[in-house]
Amino acid sequence: DAGITQSPRYKITETGRQVTLMCHQTWSHSYMFWYRQDLGHGLRLIYYSAAADITDKGEVPDGYVVSRSKTENFPLTLESATRSQTSVYFCASSTSGNTEAFFGQGTRLTVV
Amino acid sequence: KQEVTQIPAALSVPEGENLVLNCSFTDSAIYNLQWFRQDPGKGLTSLLLIQSSQREQTSGRLNASLDKSSGRSTLYIAASQPGDSATYLCAVTSGGYNKLIFGAGTRLAVHP
Repeated sequence: DAGITQSPRYKITETGRQVTLMCHQTWSHSYMFWYRQDLGHGLRLIYYSAAADITDKGEVPDGYVVSRSKTENFPLTLESATRSQTSVYFCASSTSGNTEAFFGQGTRLTVV
Repeated sequence: KQEVTQIPAALSVPEGENLVLNCSFTDSAIYNLQWFRQDPGKGLTSLLLIQSSQREQTSGRLNASLDKSSGRSTLYIAASQPGDSATYLCAVTSGGYNKLIFGAGTRLAVHP
């Protein structure tokens, strides 16, 4: 039972580069989410998806792009990384819009 | 705008004590409230989910209550153990789609 997995766990990239963070879940959950966690700001929602091919912005979407061509995958792309995007990124999933959310182990991204 | 506050920010107790962690939210129109545990450098582990129509949920030594009208939830930990040391996060879902709004967390240390 793999659950929800994120890759890579750690990533260092340079300013201006494009980088993609991967999220894969084995439960066939309809809903998937991307959050970022920063000191002083806590966890904030970047993007979410209610089903394949349905995505929408969260609280802090600027500079990020998502896609969801398959139910099990929800990649997050930083089109042109900035130092302010240095953070820990968490992917989550849930069966519906009102059920328990399960989180991945996180990706620690450093933009230099 | 929904805001979630957790008090205290940090707590240090000797092993065996019964603990109460507090969570408050500004808008009572929530769908559910979820308590998570986060160990350093790790992802979030779901502890308890309380639907808006429920008053409490229990899992082992953990009991969470919800008073939606007053915008409060408490997490009760019975007979604390050193293994309970972690950060505890409270999150509410409002506005649908299971979008979580998090508090800043309570950092708990249980010493032998």
